[in-house]
Amino acid sequence: GAVVSQHPSWVICKSGTSVKIECRSLDFQATTMFWYRQFPKQSLMLMATSSEGSKATYEQGVEKDKFLINHASLTLSTLTVTSAHPEDSSFYICSARSLAGGQGSYNEQFFGPGTRLTVL
Amino acid sequence: DAKTTQPPSMDCAEGRAANLPCNHSTISGNEYVYWYRQIHSQGPQYIIHGLKNNETNEMASLIITEDRKSSTLILPHATLRDTAVYYCIVRVFSGSARQLTFGSGTQLTVLP
Repeated sequence: GAVVSQHPSWVICKSGTSVKIECRSLDFQATTMFWYRQFPKQSLMLMATSSEGSKATYEQGVEKDKFLINHASLTLSTLTVTSAHPEDSSFYICSARSLAGGQGSYNEQFFGPGTRLTVL
Repeated sequence: DAKTTQPPSMDCAEGRAANLPCNHSTISGNEYVYWYRQIHSQGPQYIIHGLKNNETNEMASLIITEDRKSSTLILPHATLRDTAVYYCIVRVFSGSARQLTFGSGTQLTVLP
């Protein structure tokens, strides 16, 4: 299946700093990328949806000025957590959806391995 | 998208079949049933999907009832590495940008 990578896999930062997480589709072009957040013992919650070359669509309750998303190309999306605080500590997972007729015939979503963010 | 109901946890003996149920009584005609799993501290992994016919691949089988209101994911010979949270998701299959919405899933523990 198609591969989605995330970098870094884990990061520890001080409160007030900004952290950038990269999401790449390695062997396919992604028209749409999704960012999820997962707190311990909870399910994945969608934060935002981004399409290449356009502004991201954020879910209700997610601050767009705090979680900056840039979908620069069909293979790269970045999530920047600005002025991070301890409550932003979480597991961030990106997902990419292929162009129609790309990997598979069912526009399946491929998930990255996740990034563990710890804010001290 | 239709809502799904899954048991919060299940155990299965290693080497035996694991049967994970999912109820989706409000599913509509154009909605597919997807199964993903998430091993601890990893991203979700696609397993299988189906519309109304039973499906099988190298990982699992998906049995969908005739009225499509429920389904069962079958792992024929569970191994310790199959311990994970399994998510049943119902969604329209289309070229749109609609995301997968995750419920609470079933924690499957395969016991040695």
